[in-house]
Amino acid sequence: QLQESGPGLVEPSETLSLTCTVSGGSITITTYYWAWIRQPPGEGLEWIGSFYYTGSTYYHPSLKSRVTISVDTSKNQFSLNLSSVTAADTAMYYCARVFRATDYLDSWGQGNLVTVSS
Amino acid sequence: QSALTQPRSVSGSPGQSVTISCTGTSGDVGGYNYVSWYQHHPGKAPKLVIYDVTKRPSGVPDRFSGSKSGNTASLTISGLQAEDDADYYCCSYAGDYTLVFGGGTKLTVL
Repeated sequence: QLQESGPGLVEPSETLSLTCTVSGGSITITTYYWAWIRQPPGEGLEWIGSFYYTGSTYYHPSLKSRVTISVDTSKNQFSLNLSSVTAADTAMYYCARVFRATDYLDSWGQGNLVTVSS
Repeated sequence: QSALTQPRSVSGSPGQSVTISCTGTSGDVGGYNYVSWYQHHPGKAPKLVIYDVTKRPSGVPDRFSGSKSGNTASLTISGLQAEDDADYYCCSYAGDYTLVFGGGTKLTVL
């Protein structure tokens, strides 16, 4: 099971920070990667980035300069930081488990709505 | 990296079949057999219904099937049921360890 947590409101130009807590299994499981995905209101899903617990990270080309995904294996959690946010970053943010880095997402969190507004 | 193209909406009556298309390029859908489909009821976590183009996860009814031809993948749902009313998204590997989603299709069961 995956559960996102974090603030629901972030001010423009600030950094959006979310945490995903993994339960029922270890985040260090081999073969599986972990990812962040978002869905702006009324739009489709957008992959943000994926990582492997050993440190390999992969980001969406258009977000690469603003995104950092990190892991805390002791807490079985991973985090998303998105800097310099604007209203365009308002979205439901999901964390998910990915089979390999290239394949399907077989477990998702319920999502955390983040609104960027002053 | 552009989003995959899906129809905005499709509809069908109970018992009928519907097919949702997902069009990409040779750099994503056409280049790899890593296409997956997700069912999303608003307010809930998305659910994997098809992976690796044609495979069904355990617990997904065999009414759900997937296929691919060239740069277009398709999800077919036969014997439509009321609970199939949801949004559906395709996803493909797009090279360089990146993933790309479709814009989503709203399926209405009439």
